[in-house]
Formats: sequence, C-alpha cells, structure tokens
Amino acid sequence: KAGVTQTPRYLIKTRGQQVTLSCSPISGHRSVSWYQQTPGQGLQFLFEYFSETQRNKGNFPGRFSGRQFSNSRSEMNVSTLELGDSALYLCASSLDGENTIYFGEGSWLTVV
Amino acid sequence: GENVEQHPSTLSVQEGDSAVIKCTYSDSASNYFPWYKQELGKRPQLIIDIRSNVGEKKDQRIAVTLNKTAKHFSLHITETQPEDSAVYFCAASKSGTYKYIFGTGTRLKVLA
Repeated sequence: KAGVTQTPRYLIKTRGQQVTLSCSPISGHRSVSWYQQTPGQGLQFLFEYFSETQRNKGNFPGRFSGRQFSNSRSEMNVSTLELGDSALYLCASSLDGENTIYFGEGSWLTVV
Repeated sequence: GENVEQHPSTLSVQEGDSAVIKCTYSDSASNYFPWYKQELGKRPQLIIDIRSNVGEKKDQRIAVTLNKTAKHFSLHITETQPEDSAVYFCAASKSGTYKYIFGTGTRLKVLA
C-alpha cells in the first residue's frame, strides 16, 4: 500500500507570492491533517479535513487555507508569502476511528 | 492553552546504555500519546503509542510509561544502538481529533 504522497517536494518562492501544496493520503484514509515544521517552533498543527470538511484548525493566520476533494486528496494554500513561512509542510493521513496519523515526506518551502 | 513540554532537548548516550525522554502535557482531556522518530531529512515515523487507559506499553527495546495524575509520559529506549540516533517527538491528542500537540523534540545521539 502506498504511503502519503506530497508534491512538490521542494520549492522556492518569493515574498508576496502564493503557493499550493498537494497531498494524497494512504488508500482508504479519509482524514488528512497538515503540520508546519520549523527549527524554532517545532511541529505545529495547521488544520484537519475529513470528508471535504475542515474539522479542526490551528492558530495560523488566514493566509493559510486548505481544502479536501471527494477522493480525499487535499491541498493547502499559503497566500502573500512571508520569509517566516519557510518550513517543511507535512501532510498526514488517518483511518477514521483510529488515533494514529501517518506522515508524508513533506514539502520543503523556501521563501526568499 | 494546550501545551506539551519535552525534556531534554539533546541527549548523548553510549551505545548499549539506556535513554529516557520525558514529556508533560497540559490538557487533562488528552488520552492518546504517540512518539515519533525523525531521522535527518525524513518524515516523522510512529515508533510507539499509549492510550490513557494503559500505564505502560513495551515493544522490544522501546517502552512508554504514562502517569495520568501527573500528566506525564516518558519514552525509554534500552540497549541503544547507533541507528537509534534521531530526533524524537512526543505528542498528545484527544480521541476523535487528529490535532496533535507536539513536544519540541529531543535530539538523541548514540555514541559508538
């Protein structure tokens, strides 16, 4: 069974631009959550989606948004990029009814 | 707010010795406590987890203990090996949610 797949793996953007990251969950997993990982702040929860609905949201500004499609694939978008948005963005999927989340390899975003 | 404190931030042990990492959580409603291992440039991977109705769980050289009264849980690695070198994260969450609150991580170095 394939794991969580994230694209792109690496990208460089300029301040003020926007970026879209994609995540395909493990087959059969309908919950997708997103985390931001930085050296200074560690792993921080962004949001979680289930059946195309956002169920939970972390403490990030409105520039960070996401969505989930009917096939459980998810995207997250960051608008008006700032230097501080440089981070590893991790997507994780879960089987409904189980607590465990499984991470993808992440998307490394550098904002210059 | 919800918080997980993790100590120590770095830990060096000789090969064959034991390593202990400790976490304290703030939300008494938390009832699921996973531990993740993250090697350099890789995704966090679940190594062991424990639910609040259990006080201890063991899997070969790895064990986790939970003290609900103190809101404290710990990871124990025995007979450490060089391949145990990585960053370890504890986390806390509640049933029905995939919002994990992560600790700040412990960089474990096993010296050969």
